Amino acid sequence: DGGITQSPKYLFRKEGQNVTLSCEQNLNHDAMYWYRQDPGQGLRLIYYSQIVNDFQKGDIAEGYSVSREKKESFPLTVTSAQKNPTAFYLCASSISPGKRYEQYFGPGTRLTVT
Amino acid sequence: AQSVTQLDSHVSVSEGTPVLLRCNYSSSYSPSLFWYVQHPNKGLQLLLKYTSAATLVKGINGFEAEFKKSETSFHLTKPSAHMSDAAEYFCVVSRDNFNKFYFGSGTKLNVKP
Repeated sequence: DGGITQSPKYLFRKEGQNVTLSCEQNLNHDAMYWYRQDPGQGLRLIYYSQIVNDFQKGDIAEGYSVSREKKESFPLTVTSAQKNPTAFYLCASSISPGKRYEQYFGPGTRLTVT
Repeated sequence: AQSVTQLDSHVSVSEGTPVLLRCNYSSSYSPSLFWYVQHPNKGLQLLLKYTSAATLVKGINGFEAEFKKSETSFHLTKPSAHMSDAAEYFCVVSRDNFNKFYFGSGTKLNVKP
């Protein structure tokens, strides 16, 4: 099956620890995205990547980092600098950069930091 | 500036009655518009998209939406609601310069038996 996988589905961490969320796609898509979802706020863009070895900050990049060493993988690290990391994180991809191309979403990772 | 406004945070309908979820957008010239559905603790699934072809767009599961440029609206409709339609729906607009997909705050649809 083609699609996007995110692991784990639920993640628990202590405050002050960095944590990495996995995102893998086998759709051969060029562009990949990370969003954060909080209740009542829709989705907010954290980072995006148009191509391997390139990525750009989104609207709320502070306290997060990413890498894009392989086309199929776009991991997100939530650092201890992120003030309010508890949220639902969604990874997405699209076949190509461009406003006409819809995004395909993974199932999400729910991160809880205490 | 807000690019997408979903006018209702919650909508409740009875099974078998029509569904209307409202979305207004602000964007200059030739936006692309999308509707996604999200079931609890799941990812988002594309229902339909508008990218400057026909203004009436048909999607999956009997949903459709009409792009009305004069009203800057892209409302989602379905003639007859089903219990399985209960979910949260997001309207999304993509701006002229790429890589900016703006999500509305979502509308939760409740379907009563």
